[in-house]
Amino acid sequence: AQSVTQLDSQVPVFEEAPVELRCNYSSSVSVYLFWYVQYPNQGLQLLLKYLSGSTLVKGINGFEAEFNKSQTSFHLRKPSVHISDTAEYFCAVSSPNTGNQFYFGTGTSLTVIP
Amino acid sequence: GAVVSQHPSRVICKSGTSVKIECRSLDFQATTMFWYRQFPKKSLMLMATSNEGSKATYEQGVEKDKFLINHASLTLSTLTVTSAHPEDSSFYICSARMDGGTDTQYFGPGTRLTVL
Repeated sequence: AQSVTQLDSQVPVFEEAPVELRCNYSSSVSVYLFWYVQYPNQGLQLLLKYLSGSTLVKGINGFEAEFNKSQTSFHLRKPSVHISDTAEYFCAVSSPNTGNQFYFGTGTSLTVIP
Repeated sequence: GAVVSQHPSRVICKSGTSVKIECRSLDFQATTMFWYRQFPKKSLMLMATSNEGSKATYEQGVEKDKFLINHASLTLSTLTVTSAHPEDSSFYICSARMDGGTDTQYFGPGTRLTVL
């Protein structure tokens, strides 16, 4: 079985500061990894994904994430946040070996402070 | 591209009535769609996997007779909450996996259900 742990439930950060949202996964098979963002009362929007290849993945809105197999992590980073980045962020894992079902973390609430 | 819509976005109903939520993939075909439920300040809970032309696969603990799923075409799946009760109030989100694409799921904007 697969699972995802998002270690920080809430992350406050000042505008224009860098941010890292942590995600660790557990799986005994090869995985695909995703980061989604959810704005209030909206669905999820894909930020970026890792399927294979380069471990550094760049996404929309200036976000990037690095797949680290030895540490089973997929942390999300942005060098300079904006007020508009305030939202809920979800990490998810799936695997073609287990029917491609998504397993989501519990989410991290990012609040950007002016 | 890869847009998923849901209708309605918000619905308020009386206890005991049934509510139907539609999930449509607007610009791609999706043999497989998923229905999630999200509680306040919580993560998404997978309720069921909807497959076009066959019965949905429900997750453990989800009542299939209460949450009826129909996937009648490659672009439409519906979730009907039957005999709704206040505890069914929640945010329901669907997603669709593009046929022939990668493993990525594309999510709808969600439906806020309030049962009085």
